[in-house]
Parts: sequence; C-alpha cells; structure tokens
Amino acid sequence: NAGVMQNPRHLVRRRGQEARLRCSPMKGHSHVYWYRQLPEEGLKFMVYLQKENIIDESGMPKERFSAEFPKEGPSILRIQQVVRGDSAAYFCASSPFSGSGANTGELFFGEGSRLTVL
Amino acid sequence: AQSVTQLDSHVSVSEGTPVLLRCNYSSSYSPSLFWYVQHPNKGLQLLLKYTSAATLVKGINGFEAEFKKSETSFHLTKPSAHMSDAAEYFCVVSSGYSTLTFGKGTMLLVSP
Repeated sequence: NAGVMQNPRHLVRRRGQEARLRCSPMKGHSHVYWYRQLPEEGLKFMVYLQKENIIDESGMPKERFSAEFPKEGPSILRIQQVVRGDSAAYFCASSPFSGSGANTGELFFGEGSRLTVL
Repeated sequence: AQSVTQLDSHVSVSEGTPVLLRCNYSSSYSPSLFWYVQHPNKGLQLLLKYTSAATLVKGINGFEAEFKKSETSFHLTKPSAHMSDAAEYFCVVSSGYSTLTFGKGTMLLVSP
C-alpha cells in the first residue's frame, strides 16, 4: 500500500510565477490536508478537503492560494504569483476518517514539496 | 481554542542516556495529543497518541509519553537514546473535530 505521494519534491519558481503542488492520498483515504512548514516553525494548517469539497480552508491565505481535490486525480495546491515569502515546505496528509482524524489519531504524511522562490 | 508549547527548541543527549522532550498544551475541551517525528527531508511519522484511554502511552521505537491533566503536560521520554533517534519531534493537540495544532518542534541531537 503506497503512502501519501507528493510531487514535485522540489520546485523552484521566480517571483510572479505559479506553483502547483500535487498530492495523492493513500489508497482508500478520502480526506486530504495541506500544511505549510516554515523554517524553525511547526506545521501550520492550511486546508482540509474531501473529494470535490473544501471542508475547512481557515488556514489558507486569502489571496493567491487555492486548493482542490477532484473526483479523479490528486489534490492540488496552487499558488499564483509567488513571492519569496511563499518559500516553504508544503506537506500533504491523508486520513480515512472524517474531521481532523483526531478521534482515531492519525494523519499519514507525505514527504513534502519544498518550494523555493527566487 | 487550543495551543501547544514545546519548551525546548533543541535537546542534546549522549547515546545511551535518557531522553525528555517537554510539551505543554492548552485546550478548551478534552484533548487528543500526539507526538510526531520528522527525519531530515522526510514526512512526519506518528510516534504515539493519547485519546482519553490510559494516561501512559507507549509508542514506537521505545518512546513513551504521559498525559498529566493537572499539569497540562504530555512529555515524551525514552530510557536510552539511540543515534537513529536524532530528528525533530512535534507535539500536537486536537480537540473534538478541530484541526491539529502543531508545536514548533524540538530538535533532538544525539552524540556518540
């Protein structure tokens, strides 16, 4: 059973370009979460999605960031017109359970996509 | 509202000596608490979890944590450190169906 797959693992963009990060959850998982990790910071929640639905996007910046999880295919985190402050590691996690996975305990994390904005 | 504070950004130990990584939490509801480990350039892996069952929780790789409600703490311990334990450790809290709140992490350094 393959784990959570994220690609690309590393992405370099110039200011003003777009970044697309993809996440394929574990087989059988229909809940996807995106987190951002800045240097020397913990992970910050961005968005929680189920298939074709955004459940909680309270951690998403109001502009330039969007996420989707279509019926078919991976979840995508899209950052338009990137700025240097967007440089970070972006982690995707999946769970077979609703909510935060809290009552069951576990999110399964991918290895992250590291975005560098020049 | 919920929050978690990891009291040490870095902890250094010698191989074979005990490990203590401290975590305090704040939660309006009965929390679930977790410790995750992150090795360099890797994703996070669940070490152990507390979800209102036994207050002493055993995890993988010999790690344990004790939930102390009176002290609002959930410290992570291991009797004897191994070189492979060197990594970053995150204490995480969740209440009800809220999203997980991560601490800022504690980097564990293990010297020979």
